[in-house]
Amino acid sequence: GAVVSQHPSWVICKSGTSVKIECRSLDFQATTMFWYRQFPKQSLMLMATSNEGSKATYEQGVEKDKFLINHASLTLSTLTVTSAHPEDSSFYICSARDGRRGIQETQYFGPGTRLLVL
Amino acid sequence: AQSVTQPDIHITVSEGASLELRCNYSYGATPYLFWYVQSPGQGLQLLLKYFSGDTLVQGIKGFEAEFKRSQSSFNLRKPSVHWSDAAEYFCAVGLYNNNDMRFGAGTRLTVKP
Repeated sequence: GAVVSQHPSWVICKSGTSVKIECRSLDFQATTMFWYRQFPKQSLMLMATSNEGSKATYEQGVEKDKFLINHASLTLSTLTVTSAHPEDSSFYICSARDGRRGIQETQYFGPGTRLLVL
Repeated sequence: AQSVTQPDIHITVSEGASLELRCNYSYGATPYLFWYVQSPGQGLQLLLKYFSGDTLVQGIKGFEAEFKRSQSSFNLRKPSVHWSDAAEYFCAVGLYNNNDMRFGAGTRLTVKP
């Protein structure tokens, strides 16, 4: 089946530093990748959608300069949290989809990355 | 407003009992509907999905869901719950040719011995 990995699974960093999270589709090509944020005991909130080779589309209220997304290949997307602050601490989940397989092709989710900013 | 609603924040059932988790949506056009399960600290696993055709959909782990257009609902059911089913369950709608997904708030399932 389709597998999506994320790295790292856990990251602790100091306030003001930048953190990069990788999302990889392991056995399929992802024309579109999605980044979600999940606060404790809450649902997933879509942050941005990225199509391979294009700039990401950010949801309203998500700072583009704060959350840099790169989708340079059909198997890799990265989310960089720049100048992280404690309020950025959260669970970040990516998903990937091969839109060329048709409308019924679902998103496959990664295991998530927990970020703690001290 | 467009939304996905899961009315029950937390449900507790006894092991072996039947389960129904509710989901209502308020999006127009043809809905693409999904149920996902999330164990603590984990990503999401797809249980089942509905795109068209038979309104009763079978999924993994013994789950099924029924799409009722008249009620704008897509409720998840399982005839006999196992302790390992304890998790968070999310209903989701796929928009824009299924290239955008919106989630409900989730229902946390606790299973009593």
